[in-house]
Amino acid sequence: DIVMTQTPLSLSVAIGQSASISCKSSQSLKYSDGKTYLNWVFQSPGQSPKRLIYQVSKLDSGVPDRFSGTGSETDFTLKISRVEAEDLGVYYCCQGSYSPLTFGSGTKLEIK
Amino acid sequence: QVQLQQSGAELAKPGSSVKISCKASGYTFTSYYISWIKQTTGQGLEYIGYINTGSGGTNYNEKFKGKATLTVDKSSSTAFMQLSSLTPDDSAVYYCARGTGYWGQGVMVTVSS
Repeated sequence: DIVMTQTPLSLSVAIGQSASISCKSSQSLKYSDGKTYLNWVFQSPGQSPKRLIYQVSKLDSGVPDRFSGTGSETDFTLKISRVEAEDLGVYYCCQGSYSPLTFGSGTKLEIK
Repeated sequence: QVQLQQSGAELAKPGSSVKISCKASGYTFTSYYISWIKQTTGQGLEYIGYINTGSGGTNYNEKFKGKATLTVDKSSSTAFMQLSSLTPDDSAVYYCARGTGYWGQGVMVTVSS
């Protein structure tokens, strides 16, 4: 199975500041169709997960443009600019290029 | 709008089985696979597998073969997951999802004698 390694495990950010989360996969996520199936999923406390970004950098409908995703092959980054209180929770990267789909262990974002 | 409504929490005894449901609405049910994901504090998010809602074909994560059985009822736009031979390690929140874009609210399964 593809191993997804996220860092840091947690971070504390003041409102209005930016946050960055790294995700590395154990092998390239570029699929045979040329696309890279790397998603970012967010889970606020007590809620079910919600996808924010798919295929590395495409924002899901309704996701504020404060969120951005970059990367390729095995290295990916989620950046949140101008953090807001509603952003607190756990962020997971998730690959869908190989079966089974696998998730990172999560990064907990706390508001300083 | 797309919605996945899951059944309620389950309390089960070791060795028994539970069957949880996921009712879809807001889209053509048979046009998208339904996936199932397990969440625990210790193991995080684990992919169980998916069912082709049109054909009923399934694909399981090796880890969950023999543990989970996925089925579907097209007439009610509902997907089901049965978990068998339950042990305390099966205690978790189980989500259904349409791809990774839409998730149900989750079902907490607690296995205890």
